[in-house]
Amino acid sequence: NAGVMQNPRHLVRRRGQEARLRCSPMKGHSHVYWYRQLPEEGLKFMVYLQKENIIDESGMPKERFSAEFPKEGPSILRIQQVVRGDSAAYFCASSPPDRGVGAQYFGPGTRLLVL
Amino acid sequence: AQKITQTQPGMFVQEKEAVTLDCTYDTSDQSYGLFWYKQPSSGEMIFLIYQGSYDEQNATEGRYSLNFQKARKSANLVISASQLGDSAMYFCAMREGEAGGFKTIFGAGTRLFVKA
Repeated sequence: NAGVMQNPRHLVRRRGQEARLRCSPMKGHSHVYWYRQLPEEGLKFMVYLQKENIIDESGMPKERFSAEFPKEGPSILRIQQVVRGDSAAYFCASSPPDRGVGAQYFGPGTRLLVL
Repeated sequence: AQKITQTQPGMFVQEKEAVTLDCTYDTSDQSYGLFWYKQPSSGEMIFLIYQGSYDEQNATEGRYSLNFQKARKSANLVISASQLGDSAMYFCAMREGEAGGFKTIFGAGTRLFVKA
């Protein structure tokens, strides 16, 4: 049973380019969460998605950031026109569809570096 | 107000000794989960232990135990018989139910150094 998968593991972009981060949840999990971790800080919630629905995007910056979780394929976190401040580790987590308060399972993260 | 507070930015422990990492939380939800994650220098988030708000017994997983004191809203992690490989960042986290949107909230972390 494969865990949460994220790719790429490392991504380097120049200012102004676009970054696309992908997340495949664990098998049987239909809820996906994205978190951002700045250096020496804890993870901060960004967005919560179910298939084809954004449930909670209260942690997403208002501009340049978007997320989707299509019916088929991985969840995508998209950052347009990246700036140096976007450099961080981005983690995806998934959980089963029971809407409980059990553990979320995290992927290995994508480290984004903006030059 | 901080929902998860970890007051120890760094901790040192001698190899083979026990260490307690502190965590307090704040919620008005009746149903919530408390977690500890380990983040080694490689960066991944490793799930260690879970305590449900309705669980009466303290959770244990091998050398990890969670000292859950509901009235005090504390969920300290105890690591027994520390090993060099335990050196890492440790995050306390809480997942609230419907009112909290089922998302996980993390503390700022405690960096643990295990000395040989």
